[in-house]
Amino acid sequence: SAVISQKPSRDICQRGTSLTIQCQVDSQVTMMFWYRQQPGQSLTLIATANQGSEATYESGFVIDKFPISRPNLTFSTLTVSNMSPEDSSIYLCSVQRESYEQYFGPGTRLTVT
Amino acid sequence: GENVEQHPSTLSVQEGDSAVIKCTYSDSASNYFPWYKQELGKRPQLIIDIRSNVGEKKDQRIAVTLNKTAKHFSLHITETQPEDSAVYFCAASMGGNTPLVFGKGTRLSVIA
Repeated sequence: SAVISQKPSRDICQRGTSLTIQCQVDSQVTMMFWYRQQPGQSLTLIATANQGSEATYESGFVIDKFPISRPNLTFSTLTVSNMSPEDSSIYLCSVQRESYEQYFGPGTRLTVT
Repeated sequence: GENVEQHPSTLSVQEGDSAVIKCTYSDSASNYFPWYKQELGKRPQLIIDIRSNVGEKKDQRIAVTLNKTAKHFSLHITETQPEDSAVYFCAASMGGNTPLVFGKGTRLSVIA
């Protein structure tokens, strides 16, 4: 598996502001992904974060709203920009090694007021 | 793109009974099918997975079966215990560097 940490674990933010979430892995990984999980719902992929190239976004998610950085093989950030109450959710990063398995970080619980 | 359907959405069983959760997928190119368990307030945890070159895989009380022709796979939990109570998600991907597509989840309650 992998040891994955996320910062912050939770935050309460005002609408119109931005929050950057960090994801750190204990060893190099090929792929990192960002998901959103709204209360009582499943996981929805936001984007795939590739090291050395721009992130690949899923339908309904755009770079201006969710800019992502992947400066190296152990770290990524997701920014939630110009937040509204609809952005209140849990944001999770996941990592994939050479094999197929994906492991999740502990998540960041975001509340927008 | 891939679409994963999961049933049932909720499942209650008596302790010691078996539980079965079923998923179907749409893209015949998918070849990797993991199952995650998510307890309240915690991250999804990979509990078992299967690849398309295998029809069944077992790990103690849990097993997964795959029918590629019908494009469905199932999670079987035997001798259920209260600590099995959680939300279970199935997922599918084409493996390699492709992301997972998740089902909507099944809330399993094991009644002591």
